[in-house]
Amino acid sequence: GAGVSQSPSNKVTEKGKDVELRCDPISGHTALYWYRQSLGQGLEFLIYFQGNSAPDKSGLPSDRFSAERTGGSVSTLTIQRTQQEDSAVYLCASSPQGSLSTDTQYFGPGTRLTVL
Amino acid sequence: RKEVEQDPGPFNVPEGATVAFNCTYSNSASQSFFWYRQDCRKEPKLLMSVYSSGNEDGRFTAQLNRASQYISLLIRDSKLSDSATYLCGTKAAGNKLTFGGGTRVLVKP
Repeated sequence: GAGVSQSPSNKVTEKGKDVELRCDPISGHTALYWYRQSLGQGLEFLIYFQGNSAPDKSGLPSDRFSAERTGGSVSTLTIQRTQQEDSAVYLCASSPQGSLSTDTQYFGPGTRLTVL
Repeated sequence: RKEVEQDPGPFNVPEGATVAFNCTYSNSASQSFFWYRQDCRKEPKLLMSVYSSGNEDGRFTAQLNRASQYISLLIRDSKLSDSATYLCGTKAAGNKLTFGGGTRVLVKP
């Protein structure tokens, strides 16, 4: 079946512009996660959605970052007034339930963001 | 100190050899543990979950040491295709997966 998809695959923007990154999770998965990976670094947790519960936003680095998940499916990560340090690969993952500690997360291919 | 730490490597491994590396975690409330594999410019893919008793999947063996708070991954009979970055992830309450920085493995002929 279809995996997690993300768009765009690459985004180049100018400093100060806003960007929107999209994630389509695996159908039926109730949990959705956003991570950020800078060059040569590990994954940095940003935000987590589980069903209709309030999202866990504890990883968002600043108030320029926000995310929504509409209808319990597609999610959009928005970065306002982008800065050069926002350049990274933004990865989305989904998991079937999220409520189980053993739940496996499946990653999308990521969006490579470059802020000039 | 980072919550999850890994030796970044690279571990240069002759083809056919065995390589092992660890991942230490500081959150004693961590409940679940995973190894992911990430190829260059690709997304992470689950390699294996790590169970309390240790588990094996073909040439890969994962172990958990709760007392010392680390997990390990051992790769036997290394193949060229095993070259990748191996990320460990831990999960405590709240289902947030915290990753280490990854260990890079290079298998050479």
